[in-house]
Amino acid sequence: GENVEQHPSTLSVQEGDSAVIKCTYSDSASNYFPWYKQELGKRPQLIIDIRSNVGEKKDQRIAVTLNKTAKHFSLHITETQPEDSAVYFCAASRGNKLVFGAGTILRVKS
Amino acid sequence: DAMVIQNPRYQVTQFGKPVTLSCSQTLNHNVMYWYQQKSSQAPKLLFHYYDKDFNNEADTPDNFQSRRPNTSFCFLDIRSPGLGDAAMYLCATSRDPGGENEQYFGPGTRLTVT
Repeated sequence: GENVEQHPSTLSVQEGDSAVIKCTYSDSASNYFPWYKQELGKRPQLIIDIRSNVGEKKDQRIAVTLNKTAKHFSLHITETQPEDSAVYFCAASRGNKLVFGAGTILRVKS
Repeated sequence: DAMVIQNPRYQVTQFGKPVTLSCSQTLNHNVMYWYQQKSSQAPKLLFHYYDKDFNNEADTPDNFQSRRPNTSFCFLDIRSPGLGDAAMYLCATSRDPGGENEQYFGPGTRLTVT
């Protein structure tokens, strides 16, 4: 089955700096890669996703890149703000199941 | 305009006492999922329904059951909760089972087992 690895497990950045979180997946047939943000005690919320026919997608300060050959994808957050502090999960999907990475705790220091 | 609703938000049960968690959705989505999320871990899929078809994950304990009486509602039954079942239980929905469909999560039910 699919296995998703996520790094780093924790990331501290200064406000205004960029943050990058990386994930690798094992199943080359996976074709959908969402990123979720989860604040303490709240539901995971989709912040951006990318499909296998696209190499990069951007939404304001957030971008995701996908390298299907290498089977890895990354989340980039620019101009980080304190409200970006949360746990971020990557996931990979083939069919109807999401397999999540272990999560990255992002702390943005002001 | 809540889309995926879970009740209760907090549930305390005793060791071995059956408990039922509820999920409802206003999205008219075909697929409903139940995840277990323990502290500092990723959500772990327990099972899902595609319409009336039940799909259990291979490693989901028999202690966990689910019912979907209609499109809008789905229940998670824990027959004999153990201390290790204390967790956040998340319900999610998606329009179709295809891999490119976004999953919408409910706010979760935090289960405490005493």
